[in-house]
This record gives sequence, C-alpha cells and structure tokens, in this order.
Amino acid sequence: AQKITQTQPGMFVQEKEAVTLDCTYDTSDQSYGLFWYKQPSSGEMIFLIYQGSYDEQNATEGRYSLNFQKARKSANLVISASQLGDSAMYFCAMRERGKSTFGDGTTLTVKP
Amino acid sequence: EAGVAQSPRYKIIEKRQSVAFWCNPISGHATLYWYQQILGQGPKLLIQFQNNGVVDDSQLPKDRFSAERLKGVDSTLKIQPAKLEDSAVYLCASSHNARGTEAFFGQGTRLTVV
Repeated sequence: AQKITQTQPGMFVQEKEAVTLDCTYDTSDQSYGLFWYKQPSSGEMIFLIYQGSYDEQNATEGRYSLNFQKARKSANLVISASQLGDSAMYFCAMRERGKSTFGDGTTLTVKP
Repeated sequence: EAGVAQSPRYKIIEKRQSVAFWCNPISGHATLYWYQQILGQGPKLLIQFQNNGVVDDSQLPKDRFSAERLKGVDSTLKIQPAKLEDSAVYLCASSHNARGTEAFFGQGTRLTVV
C-alpha cells in the first residue's frame, strides 16, 4: 500500500493566487513527521516545511503553510501569493521510526 | 555552511559496467541517506547510515548495489554490474540525526545506462 499519496500529477495556478497541493498518508504509528520538498527543474531538493504528528498548530514558513488534519491523515501544502519561481515539482514525505517515504510528486505551474 | 556535495554530476555507462558515486554530507551530520529517483517518481530510499552504521538498507538491491561510510563522514555508492533500469538520479542527503526536522540534499548524480 502507498504510504504517501499525492493525487494531483499536475496543477496550474495564476500568479499571486494561492494554491493547495494535496497529500494523504498512511501510518499506524503515533509519532511521525511530515515534510514538503520542492524540486525545480535543476534537480535539487529544497526543504520547505515540517509538521510533527504531535504538533497542535499547523506549521508555517513564510508563504508556505501545512494544513494538517490528523484524523483524515492529510497534510496539504498551501502556497500563498504564488510566484513564477514556484513552478516546480513538489514532494510530500513522511518519516516514521526514522525512515522516510516520498510521494510521487505534483508538478506546479504558475501562469503569469 | 557548505552543502551536501556529490560527484560526479552526470555519468553515462554501458550496461554491465560498474560505477561509483561519492557524497560528502554537511559537517556534523550523523545521518546520511542515498535515494534513487527514477524520472517521474519520488525519491526511493536505498540506504540510510547513522554515523558509519547501516540503519536501513531494505530497498537496496544488494546483488548489485553496495554502499559504505567507513569513517562516518563521506560515503560511496557503487553499482556493479549496471542494468538499464538503474538509469536514474542518485540523491544523497544528510541530517543532524534520524529525528531531524529537515534533510539537506545534494544536487544528485544523473546516471544513464545504455
């Protein structure tokens, strides 16, 4: 079974608008971490945001926020005020018992 | 702070040949990861080291892949013999420890097996 599911292969958003990238996960552990990474066409993986399973508040980092709904096992990434430079592949990942699993990613294209 | 260094950036080899990749993690990072990223997919963990010990190598094809981190610092990943399906980007990452809230990735090595 897939541990991380990203159901949107591709997304488009207009510049300056907000966009939500979906991520659902599967685990029976109580302690785990959720991550989002950005991978531009140049190939490097850039850490964006982290949410611990025991964190009561949603994580935020600048224009990025993580909408964490524990009961639904979802960890959606919200990007506010999209910029052209946000066009990239976005990966959701989960770490449980020290081991990380990545989803297959969502390609985001920001339109001018 | 220097980032994770990987070399080479690109490599083209023929099937059945061998190849090695090198990774130097961020100074002081105890945990080192090797991932394989096939085009259009997310990274798949091949092996995870904590210092010079292996934490997880459950997805490493051990008949052809090997990795070491002898002094708990830099690491090498080897493929021998290579197959066409090994064509991928090999990413190295490091973090302070296995519970770190972020991992830092190198730029990867793009391997093409022909």
